[in-house]
Parts: sequence; structure tokens; C-alpha cells
Amino acid sequence: NAGVTQTPKFRILKIGQSMTLQCAQDMNHNYMYWYRQDPGMGLKLIYYSVGAGITDKGEVPNGYNVSRSTTEDFPLRLELAAPSQTSVYFCASTGTKINQPQHFGDGTRLSIL
Amino acid sequence: AQKVTQAQTEISVVEKEDVTLDCVYETRDTTYYLFWYKQPPSGELVFLIRRNSFDEQNEISGRYSWNFQKSTSSFNFTITASQVVDSAVYFCALLSSNFGNEKLTFGTGTRLTIIP
Repeated sequence: NAGVTQTPKFRILKIGQSMTLQCAQDMNHNYMYWYRQDPGMGLKLIYYSVGAGITDKGEVPNGYNVSRSTTEDFPLRLELAAPSQTSVYFCASTGTKINQPQHFGDGTRLSIL
Repeated sequence: AQKVTQAQTEISVVEKEDVTLDCVYETRDTTYYLFWYKQPPSGELVFLIRRNSFDEQNEISGRYSWNFQKSTSSFNFTITASQVVDSAVYFCALLSSNFGNEKLTFGTGTRLTIIP
């Protein structure tokens, strides 16, 4: 009963380092999303995907990259970490219909120092 | 452009009181969906309810109820007889059904604290 799995749960990076946040879902969902949540704020969409091989930018895509080679996986890449990317990152997925509720992972808390 | 406004940043009430969380939305679409999510202190996001734009019927689920009014573009959430476990941040969200714009827009959330 995994749902949406995000790894790692916590990470500290130095400025300029790179890393990949992993997201996997086992529900055969078409739609997948990456959000960031800054302290005291709502969620902002970084990138999303409507299916394998298809990705598109959200509201705040700068500094990030994504890929969707399989239905299950939707990794988020930070190439040159900056302090402004300190945030909690959530991955989510939705089934075959876009209006279905999004299932969220538990989040990755990322600090850039 | 879509927008969701949750004007109440923080609310505190004493346990067993009723509390209403406000949500006002903006969209030009005629078909859209509204959601409420709960984020307890543990941090995960929990889906509470979905409502489509053609269904203005109010909904009640236990102590929770939702009032959807298209005339005022509002989708308010009421907790009756609040409990400490209701303490969380609550997010209202709007989804457009327009092809190519299927993105969920979140409000900034309302932090609800239930005082024992």
C-alpha cells in the first residue's frame, strides 16, 4: 500500500551542489506533479507530467529539471543548489482523470547552506 | 488566471467550538473543481473533499461540512464541535478543466489551532 514514495526525507546541500529528489508511485497514475512549500506558504507547482515522456513547466520551474521515462517515476533535479531552494518538496499523482484528488508523498525537507 | 484566497492566516478556537474556514476563488472557466486538503503537524497532505462547479449541494461528513456558493465564488469549510486533532493547516485548491491547463492552484492556507 505504498502510494507515492519520496526519497530522501531530509537532505542538507551546500550551495552549488546538485541532487535528485526521487518520486515513485505504484498506482499506475498518469499525472504526476512536483510542488514546493515554503514556510507559512501554500504549495507552488514546479513541474508536472501528464504521462510518460511528457513534462511541462509549472509556476516556479527555474533551477529545476524533470524527466518522466516511466509511468511510475518522476525525479526532480536541482543542478546548482541555491539558498532560495530551501523548502519542503512534495510529489503528487492523480489517476486517469485530472479532476481526481491528488495523492501526495510525505515530502522531502531540503536545506541549502 | 486562477486564484484562491484564504484570507484567514491563523485561527484559534477553544475545543468544542465551531469554526469556519473561508475560501474565495477566481476563475474564468465554467467547469472547474474545488478541493480542501488538511496538513497536520506531521506534514503530510490529506485530501478532504472535492466539489465540481456544477454541484452546489452542500456536503456534510461527520463534523465537517462544506458550503459551496458560485454566486460569491466561495467554498467554505466548517468544523463543528472542534477537537484538538483538528489542529492543522487547511488548504483550499482550484483545478481548471481546460485541456493544457490542468493545474491545481492552492491558497496560502489557514492554520487552525484548537485550544484544549
